[in-house]
Amino acid sequence: NAGVTQTPKFRILKIGQSMTLQCTQDMNHNYMYWYRQDPGMGLKLIYYSVGAGITDKGEVPNGYNVSRSTTEDFPLRLELAAPSQTSVYFCASTHDPGQGGGYTFGSGTRLTVV
Amino acid sequence: KQEVTQIPAALSVPEGENLVLNCSFTDSAIYNLQWFRQDPGKGLTSLLLIQSSQREQTSGRLNASLDKSSGRSTLYIAASQPGDSATYLCAVRPDSNYQLIWGAGTKLIIKP
Repeated sequence: NAGVTQTPKFRILKIGQSMTLQCTQDMNHNYMYWYRQDPGMGLKLIYYSVGAGITDKGEVPNGYNVSRSTTEDFPLRLELAAPSQTSVYFCASTHDPGQGGGYTFGSGTRLTVV
Repeated sequence: KQEVTQIPAALSVPEGENLVLNCSFTDSAIYNLQWFRQDPGKGLTSLLLIQSSQREQTSGRLNASLDKSSGRSTLYIAASQPGDSATYLCAVRPDSNYQLIWGAGTKLIIKP
């Protein structure tokens, strides 16, 4: 099925550990985004990419890194996990952000840092 | 700095009622505004997009309006059904960039 696939769905990390959240889309979308959603809050943009090889910081990039070597993949890396990074992470993609309605979201990764 | 607010945070109504969800934003320099639906454990689904030059958009039982000058949007749901139970989020795209600024959402419960 076409869409945005995120793995894993759930993960528990210990403080200081590292991990990569995977995101893959098969719609040939140029624009991809990583958001985090804390309980009772709106989504906050971590990083985004407007095409392969191009990434930029969003509102809350500290503690995270991204890469975009292909159109399909946009992994999010946590280098030294901290309790403040406990959240639900969503990856999204769109062909044209000006059209908006084309945003497709993954089902999310629920991360707990203990 | 653009801020998006959704009130109420939660709403519970009987099935069949018409209802209105509210979204307000502080900076009228927006490119578009979108309404999304979020179901527990799932991603977000885009419902309606209103460009800054538009006043409203309709899809089935849903109607979204936009008043840029007052910084407000409403999502009207007609003849509500239990399947409409979800969290509804609005997001604003500023004129200046590709980012979306999100409200915290309204959790809607439709009682059978």
